[in-house]
Amino acid sequence: QKEVEQNSGPLSVPEGAIASLNCTYSDRGSQSFFWYRQYSGKSPELIMFIYSNGDKEDGRFTAQLNKASQYVSLLIRDSQPSDSATYLCAVKKDSSYKLIFGSGTRLLVRP
Amino acid sequence: DAGVIQSPRHEVTEMGQEVTLRCKPISGHNSLFWYRQTMMRGLELLIYFNNNVPIDDSGMPEDRFSAKMPNASFSTLKIQPSEPRDSAVYFCASSLRTSFGTGRTNTGELFFGEGSRLTVL
Repeated sequence: QKEVEQNSGPLSVPEGAIASLNCTYSDRGSQSFFWYRQYSGKSPELIMFIYSNGDKEDGRFTAQLNKASQYVSLLIRDSQPSDSATYLCAVKKDSSYKLIFGSGTRLLVRP
Repeated sequence: DAGVIQSPRHEVTEMGQEVTLRCKPISGHNSLFWYRQTMMRGLELLIYFNNNVPIDDSGMPEDRFSAKMPNASFSTLKIQPSEPRDSAVYFCASSLRTSFGTGRTNTGELFFGEGSRLTVL
């Protein structure tokens, strides 16, 4: 079992819709959770991080964490074609420097 | 401020040749990471430096790979001899690692360079 699992996609949504990206992790000791966005041919960039169970909102983005289910998700409201990218989920233990990445979900937003 | 700077951006070489990738982290950052990204394996951590000291090199695939950080503003990743299966995008990332009283470290945000795309023929 991979430490961080994501559906590779592509996830295709129409412009203006809500895109829901999901991630599960295996290590219950994981404490910090991150979503990175990576455009084709570019480097990953941080979108959001979340530590506590529940929702965290930042503009059109909402991160959701459920530690009991070992599940973290990213919702993108009012999806735009410019949101088309690969979204990488990453987790780490608080005491650790090591960020473990999932393989990413490719999102396509259709105009 | 300049971000993480990597060179070269693209490298095409023949099997058996030595390859050296370079990285300049963000000034003031004390942690440096080398990652490799392929379609098959995603982003893999190769090595982690903290305050210029290699802390974890367990991700380095073989003895053909070596990394150095002679000072806070420069790191190299060397592959000698290179093989076709080394073809990948190599990312350098830096961050500022701090510890709080509870044992919680900082956010863990990594700032990535643009990557070095390596093709070994």
